[in-house]
Amino acid sequence: GESVGLHLPTLSVQEGDNSIINCAYSNSASDYFIWYKQESGKGPQFIIDIRSNMDKRQGQRVTVLLNKTVKHLSLQIAATQPGDSAVYFCAEQGGKLIFGQGTELSVKP
Amino acid sequence: DTGVSQDPRHKITKRGQNVTFRCDPISEHNRLYWYRQTLGQGPEFLTYFQNEAQLEKSRLLSDRFSAERPKGSFSTLEIQRTEQGDSAMYLCASSLWDRADEQYFGPGTRLTVT
Repeated sequence: GESVGLHLPTLSVQEGDNSIINCAYSNSASDYFIWYKQESGKGPQFIIDIRSNMDKRQGQRVTVLLNKTVKHLSLQIAATQPGDSAVYFCAEQGGKLIFGQGTELSVKP
Repeated sequence: DTGVSQDPRHKITKRGQNVTFRCDPISEHNRLYWYRQTLGQGPEFLTYFQNEAQLEKSRLLSDRFSAERPKGSFSTLEIQRTEQGDSAMYLCASSLWDRADEQYFGPGTRLTVT
């Protein structure tokens, strides 16, 4: 069946370091993925997306990598800042969004 | 602020009571979605509307749940005879019909059933 999940529930990094958040999916037919950031008390906020015809996509301080061979994608945040502290979800979009469980990123000053 | 808004932000109710939540989407968005999110989990799809038509419902949406979007603008989600297991964050999102990839989320309504 379809499922999207993240490897680690929590991640703690030092301010200024790079963060890598991972996600595995099981539906090999998935062709569109989105990373969301959810701060406490708020709804999910779009960060970056990637389609299956791409391996990598870059945004401002964020990069998403997609490895279709092992059905894995990752979100890399460069120079992590305290404002990046949040829960991050990967989601598969196939008519409706299917979210994974989330990784809580904590940034230590 | 022209984003998605939800009301109320928090609701505490006793088991067995009925509750109703409201979502106001971004004004030009004709698709509106409802999700439920429990602690530590990602949001789970409940249902969505295109204009006033409810096009899909998840099996999570039991017969105690009903959603409406009578004029194709705001939507309401009603839960009848609430149970403790209904305690969750209820999120609303909206999008353009041809840009369903780009869903904008509201802040959610946190329901606590005691």
